[in-house]
Amino acid sequence: AQTVTQSQPEMSVQEAETVTLSCTYDTSENNYYLFWYKQPPSRQMILVIRQEAYKQQNATENRFSVNFQKAAKSFSLKISDSQLGDTAMYFCAFTTRNNAGNMLTFGGGTRLMVKP
Amino acid sequence: NAGVTQTPKFQVLKTGQSMTLQCAQDMNHEYMSWYRQDPGMGLRLIHYSVGAGITDQGEVPNGYNVSRSTTEDFPLRLLSAAPSQTSVYFCASSYSYLGTEAFFGQGTRLTVV
Repeated sequence: AQTVTQSQPEMSVQEAETVTLSCTYDTSENNYYLFWYKQPPSRQMILVIRQEAYKQQNATENRFSVNFQKAAKSFSLKISDSQLGDTAMYFCAFTTRNNAGNMLTFGGGTRLMVKP
Repeated sequence: NAGVTQTPKFQVLKTGQSMTLQCAQDMNHEYMSWYRQDPGMGLRLIHYSVGAGITDQGEVPNGYNVSRSTTEDFPLRLLSAAPSQTSVYFCASSYSYLGTEAFFGQGTRLTVV
């Protein structure tokens, strides 16, 4: 069974600073995708960034980037120049073709507070 | 483009009552699913569907039923509500290829008293 672990239940960062959220996963599959989803207080789930396991280059989306360490099964999210609007729950998630209907396995989440 | 529409947004039920959470998507996605979100546990898969007429159980299916008669709709039925089903429920849809983005509804906060 695949598992996803987020070891930081809560984090805080000052506005404009950089913060890194950790995620580890466990799988025996070689072909899979990893995601970070953001859930602001509105409760809407928003895709932040995704990474294909076969790609060695780390994915980036504007201020968001990942550090994908396949051998270590680690997938951390770095948020640069943090903004107040980044305050949210962040979920790391994983999927592989052998998952039920391409469904997602989620970590427990990290609550991020950006302080002014 | 409405995306994934989920209703209601809030609901209070008494123990033993039944109800249906509605989910509809207008993106012609093959895959639809229901998750529940509980503190510290992330989102866990309840049931999913890979197409009209095809459904299967996820990680936590007990106490819930689903059906999928059309591509667009995927309702979740609580047969006899229990306090353990107090949670936030999300419907999601996506295309079938690996790595595709899942689109989520706005969630339903359900309280069973």
